[in-house]
Amino acid sequence: GAVVSQHPSRVICKSGTSVKIECRSLDFQATTMFWYRQFPKQSLMLMATSNEGSKATYEQGVEKDKFLINHASLTLSTLTVTSAHPEDSSFYICVGGFQETQYFGPGTRLLVL
Amino acid sequence: QKEVEQNSGPLSVPEGAIASLNCTYSDRGSQSFFWYRQYSGKSPELIMSIYSNGDKEDGRFTAQLNKASQYVSLLIRDSQPSDSATYLCAVSPEGYSSASKIIFGSGTRLSIRP
Repeated sequence: GAVVSQHPSRVICKSGTSVKIECRSLDFQATTMFWYRQFPKQSLMLMATSNEGSKATYEQGVEKDKFLINHASLTLSTLTVTSAHPEDSSFYICVGGFQETQYFGPGTRLLVL
Repeated sequence: QKEVEQNSGPLSVPEGAIASLNCTYSDRGSQSFFWYRQYSGKSPELIMSIYSNGDKEDGRFTAQLNKASQYVSLLIRDSQPSDSATYLCAVSPEGYSSASKIIFGSGTRLSIRP
């Protein structure tokens, strides 16, 4: 089956720094990438949807200037959390869409101290 | 009102018994319905999808959909300890595709006791 990877799997950073999370579709070209965030014991919340070569569409309440999404190619999307704060600590999951199916990445656990 | 509602649990079921998980959704126009399993610290994995009223069976899993009642359920027969996980109900307002938005419930934690 199609595989989506994320890097890093875990990251700890200091408050105020920026963190970049990479999402790669390893054996398919993801026409659409979704980014979700999941706080402990809560549901996955969609942050944004991106299509290759175009700007991401952000969900209501998600700050586009804080969560920068780049989908420069059909196999790579990046999420940059700028000026991260402790409340940004969460589990970030990317999902790649291809041929009528969506494939979940393994997630990235971010801890902001 | 939450769009997809689930009882958070934990739901404790003895090994070998049937586990029954329930979910309601608010958007009557929803077309696609899913159950995901999520182990602690891991990403969700799709275990069942259902699009029309009635039952859909896949191995030990049966998904049930009642659009009139806006209700989706998942039955797990012959529950195994490896079934212990959080089960997420999810709904899409459109037919399932590579680009369709999916709305997740907060999940029900299932524990299978030996």
